[in-house]
Amino acid sequence: GDKVKQSPSALSLQEGTNSALRCNFSIAATTVQWFLQNPRGSLINLFYLVPGTKENGRLKSAFDSKESYSTLHIRDAQLEDSGTYFCAAGNYAQGLTFGLGTRVSVFP
Amino acid sequence: DMKVTQMPRYLIKRMGENVLLECGQDMSHETMYWYRQDPGLGLQLIYISYDVDSNSEGDIPKGYRVSRKKREHFSLILDSAKTNQTSVYFCASSPGGEVFFGKGTRLTVV
Repeated sequence: GDKVKQSPSALSLQEGTNSALRCNFSIAATTVQWFLQNPRGSLINLFYLVPGTKENGRLKSAFDSKESYSTLHIRDAQLEDSGTYFCAAGNYAQGLTFGLGTRVSVFP
Repeated sequence: DMKVTQMPRYLIKRMGENVLLECGQDMSHETMYWYRQDPGLGLQLIYISYDVDSNSEGDIPKGYRVSRKKREHFSLILDSAKTNQTSVYFCASSPGGEVFFGKGTRLTVV
């Protein structure tokens, strides 16, 4: 968790609201991935990023390699967005270094 | 559809027993990984494999060894399991960019 720091550690969101998760890292990273771990424990791939921005439905993510950070924006939060979001930085050859996660709870 | 398969999904072993965790992928990915996940520690890298018989230690290799005799299979072996190896173990694979994870194996060492 020291090399990849995620904030906040936990987040409570009302349905329909927006929020942002952040990931700062102190390692040389050529890629960033964001995962959602669901209540059953499965890691769902959300984004694979080289420096730049991607959008998928209500989720948007950016990776700035110069400033060594990444963000994940959730728009119009839904109940099914609940879970733990993990940021992982690095590259496929050396493996990904994970943060400790942000636990997101969406309530009606 | 990318698929990484782990067997078994749940396992209970006694301290001192040998443990074999198996992982398979049907995508001919060259690179495969083993991670473990513990509360408060996130996921930590145990070993990386770059292809058959080409393995490298990750951040926490002590107490583990791996075997990769076929590209599609990557095994994690615990010789004489210890209680502190109780964890959820994830296997992953990559074609050279994005990394894909299996559903995990929950190992309890009693």
